Amino acid sequence: DSGVTQTPKHLITATGQRVTLRCSPRSGDLSVYWYQQSLDQGLQFLIHYYNGEERAKGNILERFSAQQFPDLHSELNLSSLELGDSALYFCASSLRDRERRQFFGPGTRLTVL
Amino acid sequence: GEDVEQSLFLSVREGDSSVINCTYTDSSSTYLYWYKQEPGAGLQLLTYIFSNMDMKQDQRLTVLLNKKDKHLSLRIADTQTGDSAIYFCAERATGANNLFFGTGTRLTVIP
Repeated sequence: DSGVTQTPKHLITATGQRVTLRCSPRSGDLSVYWYQQSLDQGLQFLIHYYNGEERAKGNILERFSAQQFPDLHSELNLSSLELGDSALYFCASSLRDRERRQFFGPGTRLTVL
Repeated sequence: GEDVEQSLFLSVREGDSSVINCTYTDSSSTYLYWYKQEPGAGLQLLTYIFSNMDMKQDQRLTVLLNKKDKHLSLRIADTQTGDSAIYFCAERATGANNLFFGTGTRLTVIP
Protein backbone atom coordinates (compact mmCIF):
# COMPACT_ATOMS: atom_id res chain seq x y z
CA ASP A 1 0.00 0.00 0.00
CA SER A 2 1.59 3.24 -1.21
CA GLY A 3 -0.56 5.49 0.98
CA VAL A 4 -2.09 7.21 -2.06
CA THR A 5 -5.84 6.67 -2.36
CA GLN A 6 -8.03 7.08 -5.40
CA THR A 7 -11.78 6.96 -5.77
CA PRO A 8 -13.75 5.52 -7.36
CA LYS A 9 -11.98 2.31 -8.31
CA HIS A 10 -14.17 1.76 -11.35
CA LEU A 11 -16.35 4.16 -13.31
CA ILE A 12 -18.60 3.33 -16.23
CA THR A 13 -20.25 6.13 -18.11
CA ALA A 14 -21.53 7.14 -21.53
CA THR A 15 -20.05 9.30 -24.26
CA GLY A 16 -20.62 13.00 -23.77
CA GLN A 17 -20.76 12.74 -19.99
CA ARG A 18 -18.53 14.35 -17.38
CA VAL A 19 -16.78 12.58 -14.49
CA THR A 20 -14.57 13.54 -11.57
CA LEU A 21 -11.76 11.36 -10.28
CA ARG A 22 -10.42 11.96 -6.82
CA CYS A 23 -6.96 11.46 -5.34
CA SER A 24 -5.66 11.80 -1.80
CA PRO A 25 -1.85 11.94 -1.63
CA ARG A 26 0.30 10.31 1.03
CA SER A 27 0.25 12.15 4.32
CA GLY A 28 2.62 15.10 4.09
CA ASP A 29 3.11 14.96 0.32
CA LEU A 30 2.61 18.28 -1.44
CA SER A 31 2.94 17.19 -5.06
CA VAL A 32 0.27 15.35 -7.02
CA TYR A 33 0.68 13.97 -10.53
CA TRP A 34 -1.95 12.51 -12.84
CA TYR A 35 -1.11 9.86 -15.42
CA GLN A 36 -3.25 8.03 -17.97
CA GLN A 37 -2.61 4.41 -18.95
CA SER A 38 -4.27 3.24 -22.15
CA LEU A 39 -3.62 0.37 -24.52
CA ASP A 40 -2.65 2.56 -27.45
CA GLN A 41 -0.79 5.39 -25.68
CA GLY A 42 0.80 3.54 -22.76
CA LEU A 43 1.47 5.48 -19.56
CA GLN A 44 1.37 9.22 -20.15
CA PHE A 45 1.83 12.16 -17.86
CA LEU A 46 -1.15 14.50 -17.76
CA ILE A 47 -0.59 17.23 -15.17
CA HIS A 48 1.32 18.09 -11.98
CA TYR A 49 0.23 20.19 -9.00
CA TYR A 50 2.37 21.34 -6.13
CA ASN A 51 0.80 22.76 -3.00
CA GLY A 52 -2.28 23.91 -4.87
CA GLU A 53 -0.54 25.36 -7.91
CA GLU A 54 -0.28 23.87 -11.36
CA ARG A 55 3.37 23.12 -12.16
CA ALA A 56 3.47 21.29 -15.45
CA LYS A 57 1.18 19.97 -18.14
CA GLY A 58 1.76 16.95 -20.30
CA ASN A 59 -0.49 15.41 -22.92
CA ILE A 60 -3.69 16.61 -21.29
CA LEU A 61 -6.66 17.30 -23.52
CA GLU A 62 -8.51 20.60 -23.26
CA ARG A 63 -11.61 18.63 -22.21
CA PHE A 64 -9.70 17.56 -19.10
CA SER A 65 -8.89 19.76 -16.13
CA ALA A 66 -7.57 19.27 -12.64
CA GLN A 67 -7.15 21.10 -9.37
CA GLN A 68 -5.51 20.59 -6.01
CA PHE A 69 -7.40 21.77 -2.97
CA PRO A 70 -6.10 23.36 0.27
CA ASP A 71 -6.23 19.95 2.01
CA LEU A 72 -3.95 18.74 -0.84
CA HIS A 73 -6.36 16.26 -2.36
CA SER A 74 -6.74 16.56 -6.11
CA GLU A 75 -9.51 16.04 -8.60
CA LEU A 76 -9.27 15.29 -12.30
CA ASN A 77 -12.31 16.37 -14.28
CA LEU A 78 -12.99 14.73 -17.63
CA SER A 79 -15.76 16.17 -19.78
CA SER A 80 -17.42 15.47 -23.14
CA LEU A 81 -16.15 11.95 -22.78
CA GLU A 82 -15.27 9.91 -25.83
CA LEU A 83 -14.74 6.18 -26.26
CA GLY A 84 -11.01 6.78 -26.51
CA ASP A 85 -10.92 8.25 -23.00
CA SER A 86 -11.42 4.75 -21.58
CA ALA A 87 -8.26 4.10 -19.60
CA LEU A 88 -6.73 3.63 -16.20
CA TYR A 89 -6.06 6.97 -14.51
CA PHE A 90 -3.33 7.04 -11.90
CA CYS A 91 -2.50 9.62 -9.34
CA ALA A 92 0.98 9.78 -7.83
CA SER A 93 2.34 11.89 -5.01
CA SER A 94 5.72 13.01 -3.79
CA LEU A 95 6.94 14.99 -0.83
CA ARG A 96 8.38 18.01 -2.56
CA ASP A 97 8.36 19.62 -5.94
CA ARG A 98 11.40 17.74 -7.21
CA GLU A 99 11.41 14.76 -4.87
CA ARG A 100 12.97 11.82 -6.68
CA ARG A 101 10.37 9.23 -5.69
CA GLN A 102 6.76 9.21 -6.84
CA PHE A 103 4.27 6.87 -5.19
CA PHE A 104 1.30 5.73 -7.19
CA GLY A 105 -2.26 5.07 -6.16
CA PRO A 106 -4.24 2.00 -7.29
CA GLY A 107 -5.86 3.88 -10.16
CA THR A 108 -9.39 4.54 -11.38
CA ARG A 109 -10.54 2.46 -14.32
CA LEU A 110 -12.78 4.55 -16.56
CA THR A 111 -14.93 2.84 -19.16
CA VAL A 112 -16.79 5.03 -21.63
CA LEU A 113 -19.59 3.24 -23.50
CA GLY B 1 11.88 14.35 -27.07
CA GLU B 2 12.05 11.41 -24.74
CA ASP B 3 11.66 7.87 -25.96
CA VAL B 4 11.95 4.87 -23.67
CA GLU B 5 11.91 1.41 -25.17
CA GLN B 6 11.51 -2.00 -23.65
CA SER B 7 10.90 -5.45 -25.05
CA LEU B 8 7.32 -6.50 -24.51
CA PHE B 9 7.67 -10.01 -23.11
CA LEU B 10 10.09 -12.11 -21.07
CA SER B 11 9.64 -15.66 -19.75
CA VAL B 12 11.92 -17.29 -17.22
CA ARG B 13 11.87 -20.41 -15.09
CA GLU B 14 11.37 -20.11 -11.36
CA GLY B 15 14.71 -19.84 -9.60
CA ASP B 16 16.53 -18.42 -12.62
CA SER B 17 17.63 -14.79 -12.95
CA SER B 18 15.56 -12.37 -15.02
CA VAL B 19 17.07 -9.45 -16.88
CA ILE B 20 14.74 -6.74 -18.15
CA ASN B 21 16.27 -4.18 -20.48
CA CYS B 22 15.40 -0.60 -21.30
CA THR B 23 16.90 1.99 -23.63
CA TYR B 24 16.24 5.70 -23.49
CA THR B 25 17.11 8.64 -25.66
CA ASP B 26 17.16 11.64 -23.34
CA SER B 27 20.76 12.23 -22.32
CA SER B 28 19.66 14.75 -19.70
CA SER B 29 17.85 12.11 -17.65
CA THR B 30 18.64 12.60 -13.99
CA TYR B 31 16.92 9.62 -12.42
CA LEU B 32 15.85 6.31 -13.90
CA TYR B 33 13.25 4.10 -12.28
CA TRP B 34 11.82 0.64 -12.27
CA TYR B 35 8.16 0.17 -11.38
CA LYS B 36 6.20 -3.08 -11.07
CA GLN B 37 2.52 -3.42 -11.99
CA GLU B 38 0.62 -6.53 -10.95
CA PRO B 39 -2.75 -7.34 -12.53
CA GLY B 40 -5.43 -4.91 -11.41
CA ALA B 41 -3.00 -2.99 -9.24
CA GLY B 42 -1.19 0.31 -9.30
CA LEU B 43 2.49 0.95 -9.93
CA GLN B 44 4.89 -0.10 -7.21
CA LEU B 45 8.24 1.68 -7.09
CA LEU B 46 10.91 -1.02 -7.01
CA THR B 47 14.09 0.98 -7.23
CA TYR B 48 15.69 3.97 -8.88
CA ILE B 49 19.18 5.06 -9.82
CA PHE B 50 20.76 8.45 -10.18
CA SER B 51 22.33 9.07 -13.56
CA ASN B 52 25.86 9.45 -12.16
CA MET B 53 25.78 5.91 -10.77
CA ASP B 54 26.37 2.76 -12.77
CA MET B 55 25.01 0.13 -10.40
CA LYS B 56 22.62 -0.18 -7.51
CA GLN B 57 21.77 -3.34 -5.59
CA ASP B 58 18.78 -3.86 -3.35
CA GLN B 59 18.28 -7.41 -2.09
CA ARG B 60 17.34 -9.52 -5.16
CA LEU B 61 17.31 -6.51 -7.47
CA THR B 62 20.34 -5.16 -9.33
CA VAL B 63 20.10 -2.11 -11.56
CA LEU B 64 22.82 -1.49 -14.12
CA LEU B 65 23.12 1.80 -15.98
CA ASN B 66 25.28 2.33 -19.05
CA LYS B 67 24.96 6.06 -19.56
CA LYS B 68 27.10 6.07 -22.71
CA ASP B 69 24.75 3.62 -24.43
CA LYS B 70 21.66 4.97 -22.62
CA HIS B 71 20.86 1.45 -21.48
CA LEU B 72 19.28 0.46 -18.19
CA SER B 73 18.67 -3.06 -16.94
CA LEU B 74 16.95 -4.67 -13.99
CA ARG B 75 18.18 -8.07 -12.84
CA ILE B 76 15.98 -10.09 -10.52
CA ALA B 77 17.87 -12.92 -8.84
CA ASP B 78 16.13 -16.19 -7.92
CA THR B 79 12.94 -15.18 -9.74
CA GLN B 80 9.74 -16.33 -8.06
CA THR B 81 6.19 -16.76 -9.37
CA GLY B 82 5.23 -13.69 -7.38
CA ASP B 83 7.56 -11.67 -9.61
CA SER B 84 5.23 -12.23 -12.57
CA ALA B 85 4.05 -8.73 -13.50
CA ILE B 86 4.64 -5.89 -15.93
CA TYR B 87 7.84 -3.96 -15.30
CA PHE B 88 8.10 -0.34 -16.39
CA CYS B 89 11.26 1.61 -16.92
CA ALA B 90 10.85 5.37 -16.46
CA GLU B 91 13.07 8.41 -16.69
CA ARG B 92 12.96 11.88 -15.28
CA ALA B 93 14.75 14.56 -17.25
CA THR B 94 16.68 17.47 -15.81
CA GLY B 95 14.34 20.25 -14.78
CA ALA B 96 11.28 18.05 -15.08
CA ASN B 97 9.19 16.54 -12.33
CA ASN B 98 7.08 14.09 -14.25
CA LEU B 99 8.15 10.63 -15.30
CA PHE B 100 8.32 9.36 -18.86
CA PHE B 101 7.52 5.65 -19.07
CA GLY B 102 8.48 2.86 -21.38
CA THR B 103 5.99 0.42 -22.83
CA GLY B 104 6.46 -2.12 -20.06
CA THR B 105 7.83 -5.67 -20.14
CA ARG B 106 5.51 -8.49 -19.15
CA LEU B 107 7.53 -10.99 -17.10
CA THR B 108 6.11 -14.50 -16.86
CA VAL B 109 7.69 -16.88 -14.37
CA ILE B 110 7.22 -20.53 -15.23
CA PRO B 111 7.03 -22.84 -12.18
